[in-house]
Amino acid sequence: QQQVKQSPQSLIVQKGGISIINCAYENTAFDYFPWYQQFPGKGPALLIAIRPDVSEKKEGRFTISFNKSAKQFSLHIMDSQPGDSATYFCAVTSGTYKYIFGTGTRLKVLA
Amino acid sequence: GAGVSQTPSNKVTEKGKYVELRCDPISGHTALYWYRQSLGQGPEFLIYFQGTGAADDSGLPNDRFFAVRPEGSVSTLKIQRTERGDSAVYLCASSWGAGKETQYFGPGTRLLVL
Repeated sequence: QQQVKQSPQSLIVQKGGISIINCAYENTAFDYFPWYQQFPGKGPALLIAIRPDVSEKKEGRFTISFNKSAKQFSLHIMDSQPGDSATYFCAVTSGTYKYIFGTGTRLKVLA
Repeated sequence: GAGVSQTPSNKVTEKGKYVELRCDPISGHTALYWYRQSLGQGPEFLIYFQGTGAADDSGLPNDRFFAVRPEGSVSTLKIQRTERGDSAVYLCASSWGAGKETQYFGPGTRLLVL
């Protein structure tokens, strides 16, 4: 049973556009929701994370929106740049070390 | 400062052989994790160390997989009698502690079993 569902699988966005990636989860015990960015040949790197006591968190061009009642959270990349082209993973955890990752979204930003 | 390092970066082996994958965590990080990432998938948890002990090895797929961290720093993931299905990228991560501390990932070891 997949504990976190990520969509879309791939995304193509024009430079300057907004990239939106969504994740949905079932277990209401999850209480930490990070997003990781992974470039080819590299390990995942933490981009931004949110806890369920807030509905939105913004860091530069990256924003997480969190909907606790719908059990969904999303990553918004504003003013998308070709350098943002990477694979993005959402993850969930319930106060433990064991991250459960989504299946990833391959983002391509066209110049 | 130096990040998490993993060696080798690539490993090709034959079915049935034994392999060891090494992870050097960020200095001072007490928690260390191993994940496995299959092609087109997100990382899957394998094992977690707090200090020298394996606090949770529930993600290890079977008894052919074993990991150690004898001095609480470097860790080695060992795979016996490798199978083609073991081919994946093996990622190591470390953090200051457990719980919701940020996990910092290494670049991974790409294992190919022929």
